[in-house]
Amino acid sequence: GENVEQHPSTLSVQEGDSAVIKCTYSDSASNYFPWYKQELGKRPQLIIDIRSNVGEKKDQRIAVTLNKTAKHFSLHITETQPEDSAVYFCAATSRGSTLGRLYFGRGTQLTVWP
Amino acid sequence: DGGITQSPKYLFRKEGQNVTLSCEQNLNHDAMYWYRQDPGQGLRLIYYSQIVNDFQKGDIAEGYSVSREKKESFPLTVTSAQKNPTAFYLCASRVTGTGAYEQYFGPGTRLTVT
Repeated sequence: GENVEQHPSTLSVQEGDSAVIKCTYSDSASNYFPWYKQELGKRPQLIIDIRSNVGEKKDQRIAVTLNKTAKHFSLHITETQPEDSAVYFCAATSRGSTLGRLYFGRGTQLTVWP
Repeated sequence: DGGITQSPKYLFRKEGQNVTLSCEQNLNHDAMYWYRQDPGQGLRLIYYSQIVNDFQKGDIAEGYSVSREKKESFPLTVTSAQKNPTAFYLCASRVTGTGAYEQYFGPGTRLTVT
């Protein structure tokens, strides 16, 4: 099956700085890469996703980039704010995966200091 | 995201007892999933189901059982055979079809077994 590695496990930044979280995947057939944000005690919520036919996608202060050759994708958050503090998970799935299951990274705890 | 519910929010049980966690969705989604979340472990898949009366083991199915008698419902039973059941349990659902990969999560149930 797919194996998704996520780094770093913790990340601290000053408010206004940028944050970058990186993930690698093993299955070259993977074609969908979502990012979820989970606040303490809450459910994970999708914040952005990218498909394998696109190299970059932006939504206001967040962006995701995908390098299919190197099999890695990254989440970029600009102008960070304290409310960006949360755990972020990357995931991957492929057309061939059983029942469209997602394979998750272990998460990154992002802390934004005011 | 209010279309998928889990109850109760907190659950306490004595060791050796079976316990059933509820998951209901009114999104008309075909696929449903159960994840276990432990600190630093990310989201690990327990069971998943695409249609009524059919389900598949995930990566950590030992000590758990599920049923899918209705499209809307996918209860998870944590049996006494699960060696370390204390965790945060998340249910998710997804519409199936070409290109439909996004999973929607319920609010979760925090189970504590003593």
